[in-house]
Amino acid sequence: KAGVTQTPRYLIKTRGQQVTLSCSPISGHRSVSWYQQTPGQGLQFLFEYFSETQRNKGNFPGRFSGRQFSNSRSEMNVSTLELGDSALYLCGSSSGPYTDTRYFGPGTRLTVL
Amino acid sequence: QQPVQSPQAVILREGEDAVINCSSSKALYSVHWYRQKHGEAPVFLMILLKGGEQKGHEKISASFNEKKQQSSLYLTASQLSYSGTYFCGTEAGANNLFFGTGTRLTVIP
Repeated sequence: KAGVTQTPRYLIKTRGQQVTLSCSPISGHRSVSWYQQTPGQGLQFLFEYFSETQRNKGNFPGRFSGRQFSNSRSEMNVSTLELGDSALYLCGSSSGPYTDTRYFGPGTRLTVL
Repeated sequence: QQPVQSPQAVILREGEDAVINCSSSKALYSVHWYRQKHGEAPVFLMILLKGGEQKGHEKISASFNEKKQQSSLYLTASQLSYSGTYFCGTEAGANNLFFGTGTRLTVIP
């Protein structure tokens, strides 16, 4: 089985711009979760989607949004980028919510200048 | 909702043992353990469900004390390949997984 795919792997943007990151989960997995990883804050939960529905959201501003498509692929959008948004964004794939192993993709490294 | 991990960092010599602790202020449904090596994505180690179970994975095992909402990861006879940052993730039954700030483990020859 192919693993979790995230595109792009690296991205450089400037403040005020917006960005869309993409995640393709493992085939057959219906749950996708997104995390922001920074040296200071560690891994922080953004949101989780299951069967196209956002089931929960972490403590991030409304500039961070996401969606999931019928094929389970997910996109995450960040509008009006700030310097503090520079981070590694990880996508986790699991077959279902609750007590399921999250398989992480390689991440998208976003740098905001 | 972020769990608290301790210690923040530990250095071991090959063959030594280590314990990493994870505690939460919330009633937990499950605890997950992951290891992340520099520049790589976190890799799953194990999940423990409420009920106080203990799991083992070769020389890496973990326990979950439901009463205390604490989990411990035990690494025995450490190997160089154990080096990395260990994260615990906790679920309090709301379809989200919150991670601790990590424990950096370094194994030296």
